[in-house]
Amino acid sequence: SQQGEEDPQALSIQEGENATMNCSYKTSINNLQWYRQNSGRGLVHLILIRSNEREKHSGRLRVTLDTSKKSSSLLITASRAADTASYFCATDGGGSRLTFGEGTQLTVNP
Amino acid sequence: DTGVSQNPRHKITKRGQNVTFRCDPISEHNRLYWYRQTLGQGPEFLTYFQNEAQLEKSRLLSDRFSAERPKGSFSTLEIQRTEQGDSAMYLCASGYASGNSNEQFFGPGTRLTVL
Repeated sequence: SQQGEEDPQALSIQEGENATMNCSYKTSINNLQWYRQNSGRGLVHLILIRSNEREKHSGRLRVTLDTSKKSSSLLITASRAADTASYFCATDGGGSRLTFGEGTQLTVNP
Repeated sequence: DTGVSQNPRHKITKRGQNVTFRCDPISEHNRLYWYRQTLGQGPEFLTYFQNEAQLEKSRLLSDRFSAERPKGSFSTLEIQRTEQGDSAMYLCASGYASGNSNEQFFGPGTRLTVL
């Protein structure tokens, strides 16, 4: 069964707006990672947040983690057309394999 | 470019043929992972190696699939007697085992089409 589930499935915004994507998972984790995937390409690692962290920033990205609710959010500020991609969260379930959700398809309109 | 390379990038084959994919991880990484991704879905774990040892295999990895990492560097994934259901993107990732960190960096993938 899928561990990470992203919400919404699709998001369309205008350039300059902020985009927020959410992820829920089911079991305990050591860490949670967010990836970006452009159509037909490989996954690009965006950020890793550990289970004992609550918030992490990287450039225009802000990730939060609430282990009590088993949820995470990814905020992209001041979005650009180049941010158009699918975004996945991945959890490790305390082990080595990553479990991905179905992703959020983000479209940023110029 | 993450530093993980995969070859070939695309493979078209006929049902029943064997195919082999190669992954070259980031050189200092001791872990190597294989995932499969079908259209509209997230990647699904297949197997992983720590150095040359294959430590975990998913039940998705049927008897027709075999993976090797003979010298703890590059890895190959072979699919025998391919079926149309094997059509997917095959992704390789590498990482370095350190404490609880499980950061994984992905290659560009090999897209397999089985006719």
